Amino acid sequence: EAGVAQSPRYKIIEKRQSVAFWCNPISGHATLYWYQQILGQGPKLLIQFQNNGVVDDSQLPKDRFSAERLKGVDSTLKIQPAKLEDSAVYLCASSLENSGRPYNEQFFGPGTRLTVL
Amino acid sequence: AQKVTQAQTEISVVEKEDVTLDCVYETRDTTYYLFWYKQPPSGELVFLIRRNSFDEQNEISGRYSWNFQKSTSSFNFTITASQVVDSAVYFCALKGGTGRRALTFGSGTRLQVQP
Repeated sequence: EAGVAQSPRYKIIEKRQSVAFWCNPISGHATLYWYQQILGQGPKLLIQFQNNGVVDDSQLPKDRFSAERLKGVDSTLKIQPAKLEDSAVYLCASSLENSGRPYNEQFFGPGTRLTVL
Repeated sequence: AQKVTQAQTEISVVEKEDVTLDCVYETRDTTYYLFWYKQPPSGELVFLIRRNSFDEQNEISGRYSWNFQKSTSSFNFTITASQVVDSAVYFCALKGGTGRRALTFGSGTRLQVQP
């Protein structure tokens, strides 16, 4: 079974530029997450999708971050404009989790390491 | 609010030593789920174990064992006879309730196993 795919793996941009990340979850996984992991910290949730609907985006800086999940499969996360503090690894995860199975483990992709200069 | 504390920032051991990684959590939910993930240098988080709040049985899987104690809100992870390949950052995480919530991660413990 293929894992969670993410691209690009690395991205270097200057502040105020825009950047987009792509995620393809494990086939059949209804729930998709984007996490931000700053160096030396644990991942922090940015946004959670159930199929193509947003479940939780309370920690997403909506003035600069946006995300979508078209047709309930692939997802893109965009930052516009980027700030220095956005330098981090952006992790995508997916799970079979739904209301009847709230405990399913999340499977993570390799992440995209973003450096903002 | 949920919180996970991993007080040990970094641990260094010599191969074949046993090592325990501590995890303390806070939640107001009566039903919750605890997880351990491993993050090797490659960066990908690897699922190790899930424990439900209503199941306090300890678990052993090969050289790995987990000690869940509800009375002290702890979910500690022990590696027996550590190996160099165990070197990684280990994260404890909590998912509360029956709602559709994401994981709350601790800050991680970096384990270095020296040959």
